[in-house]
Amino acid sequence: EPEVTQTPSHQVTQMGQEVILRCVPISNHLYFYWYRQILGQKVEFLVSFYNNEISEKSEIFDDQFSVERPDGSNFTLKIRSTKLEDSAMYFCASSGRSGANVLTFGAGSRLTVL
Amino acid sequence: KQEVTQIPAALSVPEGENLVLNCSFTDSAIYNLQWFRQDPGKGLTSLLLIQSSQREQTSGRLNASLDKSSGRSTLYIAASQPGDSATYLCAVRGNAGNMLTFGGGTRLMVKP
Repeated sequence: EPEVTQTPSHQVTQMGQEVILRCVPISNHLYFYWYRQILGQKVEFLVSFYNNEISEKSEIFDDQFSVERPDGSNFTLKIRSTKLEDSAMYFCASSGRSGANVLTFGAGSRLTVL
Repeated sequence: KQEVTQIPAALSVPEGENLVLNCSFTDSAIYNLQWFRQDPGKGLTSLLLIQSSQREQTSGRLNASLDKSSGRSTLYIAASQPGDSATYLCAVRGNAGNMLTFGGGTRLMVKP
């Protein structure tokens, strides 16, 4: 069964460092998303991406965050200068031709900021 | 702003019981509702998707119902098994945009 692949599975970084989280969505999907889950809290929407541009973003997704689809397969989330409160599990997801389709999530990348 | 609440937060049952997980949302103008399963340290696995025009969806021992006007959904698990132990999340998509708003989840433990 097709799956969404995320790397790294766990990253530890120092406060102020730049981090890039990578995702390979399902190959024929057109809509891509990042969500995050701070330990013990709800899963929160960060951003959606369609047709090579951001289609929607939340208040969390400020200027410190950016997304990119550098080639036909990868979808990345960059955090420019990490803060302690960025420590969370970051989930990538993708969905098919219609954004109303079922979202398929990756296993997540755990980010720990020290 | 949409708020999604799940009750109970945790549930422990003996194997074989039928059980109901509840999800409520404050804004009934939804496009669809999705139930997910999350295993510890893992991603989210989609279980059922109910469009706003539908009343229920079934998959194996799982049945999800939707009452949009009252802002409620239930996930019914029949004949629970230890392998069902996980956190169950519901998420709603509004009529504008593609973002999902998640509830806090119900942590289910099924004891052998």
